[in-house]
Amino acid sequence: DIQMTQSPSSLSASVGDRVTITCRASQSISNYLNWYQQKPGKAPKVLIYAASSLQSGVPSRFSGSGSGTDFTLTISSLQPEDFATYYCQQSYSALYTFGQGTKLEIK
Amino acid sequence: EVQLVESGGGLVQPGGSLRLSCAASGFTFSSYWMHWVRQAPGKGLVWVSRINSDGTSTSYADSVKGRFTISRDNAKNTLYLQMNTLRAEDTAVYYCARATVTMYYYYMDVWGKGTTVTVSS
Repeated sequence: DIQMTQSPSSLSASVGDRVTITCRASQSISNYLNWYQQKPGKAPKVLIYAASSLQSGVPSRFSGSGSGTDFTLTISSLQPEDFATYYCQQSYSALYTFGQGTKLEIK
Repeated sequence: EVQLVESGGGLVQPGGSLRLSCAASGFTFSSYWMHWVRQAPGKGLVWVSRINSDGTSTSYADSVKGRFTISRDNAKNTLYLQMNTLRAEDTAVYYCARATVTMYYYYMDVWGKGTTVTVSS
């Protein structure tokens, strides 16, 4: 099975900061990598698919990059509504594994 | 409005069974692959299972393989998850999610609100 490892597990930042979250796959997954945002008590929401494609309706301050085993999610200027937990997920194999999540908290 | 609504969760004893349902509306259900994803209390998302659009192909996480069965009824626009031999570690909120494909890239773009399963004596 493909394992997905995110870092850091948690992160404190301020409104206006630039933030980067990293996701590493245990084997090459090309660019079959998605990013989701989840707020407490809510279902996840897709932000980025195919490593760098922005889902319709998602603000342009979110961006994704990477290929192979190493990927990043960047938020260019944090807004109050961005404080949430972020998950990467691979869709390369038939077992669609998620990373363990990165909790983004207000500093 | 595109919508997924899960039901069927509840309290069940270890070793028991439960069947979850996910009712779809607002889109052509039979055209989409569907997934189940779960989240234990205070923990992260865990992919559970997926089924293709006509129900002929399925896959499962190792942790549920042989105990859970995913299925669908396209005439009723409903996805199911039959869960047998339940364990305490199956306690979680279970989400159903629609998978959209764009240029061979699959991602879950519509999610239900989830149904809670608690396995306890």
